[in-house]
Amino acid sequence: GAVVSQHPSWVICKSGTSVKIECRSLDFQATTMFWYRQFPKQSLMLMATSNEGSKATYEQGVEKDKFLINHASLTLSTLTVTSAHPEDSSFYICSATPKIGLGGFSGANVLTFGAGSRLTVL
Amino acid sequence: GIQVEQSPPDLILQEGANSTLRCNFSDSVNNLQWFHQNPWGQLINLFYIPSGTKQNGRLSATTVATERYSLLYISSSQTTDSGVYFCAVFYNQGGKLIFGQGTELSVKP
Repeated sequence: GAVVSQHPSWVICKSGTSVKIECRSLDFQATTMFWYRQFPKQSLMLMATSNEGSKATYEQGVEKDKFLINHASLTLSTLTVTSAHPEDSSFYICSATPKIGLGGFSGANVLTFGAGSRLTVL
Repeated sequence: GIQVEQSPPDLILQEGANSTLRCNFSDSVNNLQWFHQNPWGQLINLFYIPSGTKQNGRLSATTVATERYSLLYISSSQTTDSGVYFCAVFYNQGGKLIFGQGTELSVKP
């Protein structure tokens, strides 16, 4: 089955530094990947949709200059939290679905999720 | 946008008991998935079920798309079933998967 790998699984950093999180599809190509954020005891909130070879689409209220997304290949998307602050501490999860033909993501595709990356900003 | 509501928000069961979790959604969808999030945060895909009924061991799910709800049944619950159960729907007009607030299940030995 489809496997999505996330790295690192947890990271602690000082306030003001930048942190990069990688999301890889291990055994399939993914035209589209999604980045979610989850605060403790809350649901997953979609941050942005990452499209291979084009700019990411950000959800309302998500700062695109703070959360930089790069989808440089069909198997890798990265999320960089720039100038991280304690309020950015959260659980970040990516998801992907296999590329089907020439089309992009559609509702008929099953999404597979990475194991998540827990960010703590001191 | 679409609203996804799950009930109950919390559930405590004795090992061996059965339970039903519900997911209501406010608009037409063409994808619905049930997930189990374990204590380490990993989301495990349980069912892809835009309509109809599926079963996998002690778990089964039914989606009635015309009435905009889905049910997840857990039979003979075990302590390892503990965690948060999410339903998520693909909102066609939005082009994204939207999560409900989850049901936190705790199974006591």
